[in-house]
Amino acid sequence: AQTVTQSQPEMSVQEAETVTLSCTYDTSESDYYLFWYKQPPSRQMILVIRQEAYKQQNATENRFSVNFQKAAKSFSLKISDSQLGDAAMYFCAYTNAGGTSYGKLTFGQGTILTVHP
Amino acid sequence: DTGVSQNPRHKITKRGQNVTFRCDPISEHNRLYWYRQTLGQGPEFLTYFQNEAQLEKSRLLSDRFSAERPKGSFSTLEIQRTEQGDSAMYLCASSLALGSGGSQYFGPGTRLTVL
Repeated sequence: AQTVTQSQPEMSVQEAETVTLSCTYDTSESDYYLFWYKQPPSRQMILVIRQEAYKQQNATENRFSVNFQKAAKSFSLKISDSQLGDAAMYFCAYTNAGGTSYGKLTFGQGTILTVHP
Repeated sequence: DTGVSQNPRHKITKRGQNVTFRCDPISEHNRLYWYRQTLGQGPEFLTYFQNEAQLEKSRLLSDRFSAERPKGSFSTLEIQRTEQGDSAMYLCASSLALGSGGSQYFGPGTRLTVL
């Protein structure tokens, strides 16, 4: 079974600075997808960024980018120019790219990000 | 497209009662997922549908839980004889079966409190 681990329960960053959230995962599959989701307080889960395991190039979405290290099974999220609206719980998630488990997400425990003005 | 919607947003019930939640996915999405999230934790997979077929159920989904997706459109999740341990946020998500890279879009959730 796949597992996802987020070892940082809480992180904080000053507005306009850069912060990196860590995630490691364990799988025996070679083809899979990794995601970062953002869940603001009392609000719904929002997809931030997706990475395909077969793509060596790290995904980027505006101020959000990932550092995907397949051999190390590491998938960190970098938030540049942090904004107050980035404050939320961030979840790392995994799914197989095929088979019956395709689409079934396994989530990490989450990292609470606080942004200080 | 208004996104994934869930009703009700909040449900308070007494132990032993039955409850039913509804999820309306994004209209063109043929996959629909249910997750359960307890406070401060990541969501846990419960079950998913492709069109009207329920393809996988987690061992977390006891016999008291049943989910349906008639005609491959909206889905309902029913919990019979609720227990206090069922108190959680129940999240619904939808996606395309192919071409979406597994990307799921979540609804706002239904928060269940069992007294």
